[in-house]
Order: sequence, then C-alpha cells, then structure tokens
Amino acid sequence: QQQVKQSPQSLIVQKGGISIINCAYENTAFDYFPWYQQFPGKGPALLIAIRPDVSEKKEGRFTISFNKSAKQFSLHIMDSQPGDSATYFCAASISNFGNEKLTFGTGTRLTIIP
Amino acid sequence: NAGVTQTPKFQVLKTGQSMTLQCAQDMNHEYMSWYRQDPGMGLRLIHYSVGAGITDQGEVPNGYNVSRSTTEDFPLRLLSAAPSQTSVYFCASSYYGQGSETQYFGPGTRLLVL
Repeated sequence: QQQVKQSPQSLIVQKGGISIINCAYENTAFDYFPWYQQFPGKGPALLIAIRPDVSEKKEGRFTISFNKSAKQFSLHIMDSQPGDSATYFCAASISNFGNEKLTFGTGTRLTIIP
Repeated sequence: NAGVTQTPKFQVLKTGQSMTLQCAQDMNHEYMSWYRQDPGMGLRLIHYSVGAGITDQGEVPNGYNVSRSTTEDFPLRLLSAAPSQTSVYFCASSYYGQGSETQYFGPGTRLLVL
C-alpha cells in the first residue's frame, strides 16, 4: 500500500518556468513532510521540509504548499533552471522522537529545457 | 567530515552468494538506516538503528540482516542473494530526537544479482 502518492512521474519544463510536483498522503499521523532532490549517481539530499502547522514554506526559488484537510502537499520551483534537472522525492514521517521512518513517494524526474 | 560513506560502489553477485554492504558516518549521528531504491517505487526502508546495539525492521526487511556495534558503522548483510535484491542501496544517518529532521544519505551501492 502506497502511503505517499506522487505525481507526475516525469515533468519537462522550460527554463524560467514553474515546476510543480504533487504528493498526497493517507496517514493523518504524519507530521513532517520533506522533499529530497537526487542527481544521477548521487544519494538524495534534503531540499526543503514543512510541518502541518503552516500552509506554506519558501526557501529561495523552492516553495512547499501544504493542505492539511486535503492531505496534500506540493513543491513549486520558480524560475526553473537547467541545474534543477533531477529526481525529486516527497516523503512523510511521524516524529515521535525523530524522523526515523521516512515513507517516500515514487519520485518525479524533472527536466528543465533551455 | 566525509559524511556518510558506502562501499562498494558497485557489486555483481550470483544467486545464493552472501555479501556485506558497508556504511560509515563520521557525524556522531545516533540514527542510521538502509533504504533500497527501485525504479518506480521510490526509496523503501529496510532496517534502521537508533543507537549502538539497537536495530529494528523497516518496510522491506526480508533477506537482510543488520547489526550496530558502534555509532559509526551500520553494515547490511545479504545472507543468500536473490535476483529480487538487485537494486541501489542507500545508507542514511541523522541525529535522533525532535528537531533532528535532516537525514544525510550516502552515495549508494549498486547491486546486481544474477
């Protein structure tokens, strides 16, 4: 059972455009929602994360929008650049004592074209 | 700091062979974990540890063993490799406790079981 559903599977965006990746979760006990960025041949790296007490978090060109009632959250990349081309994973966890059990989405391969 | 290191980078095994994937971190992190990454399935948690001498199962533990004798090392053992274990394996570490959200991933080990 996929507890975190991610879409789309792949995305092509023109340079300067907005990239949007969506995730939906089922377990209402999740209270930490990170996004990881992975370049080919590398391990994932934390990009940005949000907790459900806020509806939006922005860091530079990257924004997470969170809708608790709909159990959905999304990543927006503004002014997308070729260097943003990577695979993006959303994730969720229950932070009892930490965030040890991350449940990941299936990933979105983002390609930014000139 | 070297961060999270994994060896080997690539390994080919025959069905039934055993091997150990090595993972080490030099950040004094209490929490360490192993994930496997398969196309279209994201990352799935295999085993994790919240400190030396303490391990627990994740989502897909069958066929894998772990131990944690030191804070720094968290090896993953395949006792009898099967083609279904062909995957890319990532080790991750983090501090353990509220506010310790960021998990740091190693570069991965690509395993092919024939």
